[in-house]
Amino acid sequence: AQTVTQSQPEMSVQEAETVTLSCTYDTSENNYYLFWYKQPPSRQMILVIRQEAYKQQNATENRFSVNFQKAAKSFSLKISDSQLGDTAMYFCAFMKHSGNEKLTFGTGTRLTIIP
Amino acid sequence: KAGVTQTPRYLIKTRGQQVTLSCSPISGHRSVSWYQQTPGQGLQFLFEYFSETQRNKGNFPGRFSGRQFSNSRSEMNVSTLELGDSALYLCASSLGVVAGSYEQYFGPGTRLTVT
Repeated sequence: AQTVTQSQPEMSVQEAETVTLSCTYDTSENNYYLFWYKQPPSRQMILVIRQEAYKQQNATENRFSVNFQKAAKSFSLKISDSQLGDTAMYFCAFMKHSGNEKLTFGTGTRLTIIP
Repeated sequence: KAGVTQTPRYLIKTRGQQVTLSCSPISGHRSVSWYQQTPGQGLQFLFEYFSETQRNKGNFPGRFSGRQFSNSRSEMNVSTLELGDSALYLCASSLGVVAGSYEQYFGPGTRLTVT
């Protein structure tokens, strides 16, 4: 079974600063997908960024980028130039590449952007 | 394109009753997954349907069931409700890994309160 660990329950950062959220996972699979989802307060879950395990290049989406270290089973999310709208719960998630559409989530990191 | 919709958004039920939640996926998406979100257990996978077939099931009792219709709309049912079933139930849809697209897009959820 796969497990996803987010060791930072809460983080806060000043607006415009850069913040990095940590995620580690455990799996015996070689092919899989990793995701970061954002869940703003009382709002729905939004896909932030995704990474295919077979791709060595780290994914980037505007201000969001990941540091994917496959050997270390680490998948951190970096948010640059943080904005007030980035305040949310952030979940790291894992999916096997086998037609299995099940997402395994970490426990989340509550990120607060301070004005 | 309209996003994933879930009805109802809020529901209050009494212990022992049953409840049916509905999910309409993004047009063209054939895979629908359900997740339970609680403060104590986090996000847990319930089941996934693709083309009216349940492909995966999480570790939940048989009181939790679901189905998918030919138009990809899905319903989940919980019978003999318990207090511990109080949760946010999230539905997510995707084109499906078999279609080369594995990103899941979430609906706003149904907040179920069992009293």
